[in-house]
Amino acid sequence: DVVLTQTPPTLSATIGQSVSISCRSSQSLLHSNGNTYLHWLLQRPGQSPQLLIYLVSRLESGVPNRFSGSGSGTDFTLKISGVEAEDLGVYYCVQGTHAPDTFGAGTKLELK
Amino acid sequence: QVQLTESGPGLVHPSETLSLTCTVSGFSLTGYSVYWVRQPSGKGLEWMGRMRYNGDTSYNSALKSRLSISRDTSKNQVFLKMNSLQTDDTGTYYCTRATRDWGQGVMVTVSS
Repeated sequence: DVVLTQTPPTLSATIGQSVSISCRSSQSLLHSNGNTYLHWLLQRPGQSPQLLIYLVSRLESGVPNRFSGSGSGTDFTLKISGVEAEDLGVYYCVQGTHAPDTFGAGTKLELK
Repeated sequence: QVQLTESGPGLVHPSETLSLTCTVSGFSLTGYSVYWVRQPSGKGLEWMGRMRYNGDTSYNSALKSRLSISRDTSKNQVFLKMNSLQTDDTGTYYCTRATRDWGQGVMVTVSS
């Protein structure tokens, strides 16, 4: 199965600070159909996960544009340009290129 | 409006079988895939398996021998059955429309 390694496991930020989370895959996530099925989720405390970014860099409807995704192959990054209080929680990358789908272990974003 | 609702017993005894139902509305099961994801308390997300739009299934390698996912398209329901439950199967179980839309989750405790 594909292993997704997220770093850092914990991130401390102040409001307004820009931060990045890395997700590295044990194999390329480029599908034979040309798509890369790497997505980013946020799980706020006590809530279900929420899709933020899909297909590496596409912003889900209703998600603020301070969130952005980039990367290719095996290396991917989620960036938050100006953290707000509502952004606190655990961020997960998830891949759907290779069955079975797999999640990263998560990155917890905390207030400094 | 897309909705997913998980239902099932809150308590299961060790060695017994867990049966969960995901009832969906706002989309067709023949047009979208539905996944099952679980989360032990205080831990990360684990992808369990999926029912694809065309009826195909895929399972987490570690759970494959115990897990079965099926559906009833006439009732807009997807089912999860997992046997030989142990205490480390305790957690919240979610169904999701391909990680885009999520149910609220159902808490399952495995205890005698």
